[in-house]
Amino acid sequence: KQEVTQIPAALSVPEGENLVLNCSFTDSAIYNLQWFRQDPGKGLTSLLLIQSSQREQTSGRLNASLDKSSGRSTLYIAASQPGDSATYLCAVRRSNSGYALNFGKGTSLLVTP
Amino acid sequence: DAGVTQSPTHLIKTRGQQVTLRCSPKSGHDTVSWYQQALGQGPQFIFQYYEEEERQRGNFPDRFSGHQFPNYSSELNVNALLLGDSALYLCASSLVPTGTEAFFGQGTRLTVV
Repeated sequence: KQEVTQIPAALSVPEGENLVLNCSFTDSAIYNLQWFRQDPGKGLTSLLLIQSSQREQTSGRLNASLDKSSGRSTLYIAASQPGDSATYLCAVRRSNSGYALNFGKGTSLLVTP
Repeated sequence: DAGVTQSPTHLIKTRGQQVTLRCSPKSGHDTVSWYQQALGQGPQFIFQYYEEEERQRGNFPDRFSGHQFPNYSSELNVNALLLGDSALYLCASSLVPTGTEAFFGQGTRLTVV
């Protein structure tokens, strides 16, 4: 069974700081890994998708890395802004389990002005 | 380009009743998955539909059933509602079951009283 863990559970930083969110998974046989953002009571917004053959993906101020052998991914957010405040979820699609995404519980981020 | 749309946005039902939630996938997508997200938790996979068939199912009882229509839209039905079924129900779509980025709708908030 794939277990996905996200650390820290909550994070508060002042505006302008660079920060790193962590995601770990127990089964390295993954198909891809996806990072999502979720605002309170809302749906999920896809941020970055990393295929198993890739090491990192970048979109604007966001950079996600993937190390399959160690079962880890990180989401780096540069120059954080109050609008970045949300819950960030990591999800893994296993290569031998079919189609389901396995999610962590998320990291709740608060960026203060 | 319309993204994933879900209806209704909010719903209140009484224990023992039945409910139907609806989802229209992102344009060009042929695969729909359903997830249940309890408060403070990551989404849990319910099932996935592709080519009008259930392709994979998570650890949910038979009270949860679904359907996919020829236009790729999908319904989630829950019978004999329990208080514990109160959650945010999320629909995700992708192109083919495994290979691509999953896009989520805004969710349906179901409250069972």
